[in-house]
Amino acid sequence: SSELTQDPSVSVALGQTVTITCHGDSLSTYYATWYQQKPGQAPVLVIYGKNYRPSGIPDRFSGSRSGNTASLTITGAQAEDEADYYCNSRDSSANLVVFGGGTKLTVL
Amino acid sequence: QVQLQQWGAGLLKPSETLSLTCVVYGGSLSGYYWSWIRQPPGKGPEWIGEIIHTGRTNYNPSLKSRVTMSIDTSKNQFSLEVTSVTAADTAVYYCARGRSVTTAFGGVVVHQYYFDYWGQGTLGTVSS
Repeated sequence: SSELTQDPSVSVALGQTVTITCHGDSLSTYYATWYQQKPGQAPVLVIYGKNYRPSGIPDRFSGSRSGNTASLTITGAQAEDEADYYCNSRDSSANLVVFGGGTKLTVL
Repeated sequence: QVQLQQWGAGLLKPSETLSLTCVVYGGSLSGYYWSWIRQPPGKGPEWIGEIIHTGRTNYNPSLKSRVTMSIDTSKNQFSLEVTSVTAADTAVYYCARGRSVTTAFGGVVVHQYYFDYWGQGTLGTVSS
């Protein structure tokens, strides 16, 4: 299957740690990529590869993988982290790019 | 600094053709996968397809029959056409630069694919 599955919503108290997960068969051969999207804006790359952050992304964002599940962890969540988060990878067998359905993160 | 600037789409009637163009500033078209991605209101992104500098394309099977992508290396831009649009094609359309990297860790080959630069997005609305 080419699908990536994410929990629709997650909440975290300000300053606490939260993990967002993404599950899919393609993740056994491709690392997941994570994007943050705020209302009315284009997605922004936050984690790619094994655990790389583009310039400008705070180090409280980190990524990991276990089998077919990828995780995005925010350690010490801030109010500005409230957003939708999408995972993405490539399905090499089907030769197409797939996105998860997204997780809405609420910072309480 | 790479920037993607896109234009086109707008308000269309059912059965019309949606057209978009994305120009790339500050970087070459070679070595990357240039994608179109759309996002219906309130939903997640959907990959439409990709094109590389040689003109080779790869489309999402769900849209393949209605999608055409082209590239103009002399203008550093690439384009999308979606024919026979319906209300289901209403979405914000993004162009993006895709990167594919393959490495080996301890003898295990691993792949990564990611979109590092995105256009600003263009709304395409299909309504009669």
